[in-house]
Amino acid sequence: ETGVTQTPRHLVMGMTNKKSLKCEQHLGHNAMYWYKQSAKKPLELMFVYNFKEQTENNSVPSRFSPECPNSSHLFLHLHTLQPEDSALYLCASSQDPAGGSTDTQYFGPGTRLTVL
Amino acid sequence: DAKTTQPPSMDCAEGRAANLPCNHSTISGNEYVYWYRQIHSQGPQYIIHGLKNNETNEMASLIITEDRKSSTLILPHATLRDTAVYYCIATNKLVFGAGTILRVKS
Repeated sequence: ETGVTQTPRHLVMGMTNKKSLKCEQHLGHNAMYWYKQSAKKPLELMFVYNFKEQTENNSVPSRFSPECPNSSHLFLHLHTLQPEDSALYLCASSQDPAGGSTDTQYFGPGTRLTVL
Repeated sequence: DAKTTQPPSMDCAEGRAANLPCNHSTISGNEYVYWYRQIHSQGPQYIIHGLKNNETNEMASLIITEDRKSSTLILPHATLRDTAVYYCIATNKLVFGAGTILRVKS
């Protein structure tokens, strides 16, 4: 399998549930990203990992907990979410961990999350 | 990071060239211009990027003005499958704005 894959593609959960989103990249990249895209809003960067280390957290609530066990896998653990957290969650990867001028990101298809 | 300005929407006839403009008047010397697109409910797709020179790949051409304050993405023969939101980003860090909704019509 090539590119960036995300599972599940769709998820419905209650506010008291705990679930995890998974992202895997098959591109040999060193950096991975989580984005959130709410309805009719631009993408918002949530977390950045370079070489498994978190380098950016854009004031994301603690009910979202990322995990990066290696450069190819990225998880987003979800617990006690709110209905306003319903959105498309996108994972991306890039080659250059410094996010430099030529750092092109490749995105997965996203997980459509609905919180009831 | 340079702010970009794009028209909210554009229409294009199928088979014709689609020219999508982007203003980035505050771009600094080392900031690249990137273009991505997002087809409905899918992840964004990288199209092309450039610094100073015009660039072309199998998907599109990127024309950057000499002063680098604006650029144009050209899809030479638009198809219905090119209907998407197109994002112009002029920064070393990906920050997505609202983009341009391109509608290709038959």
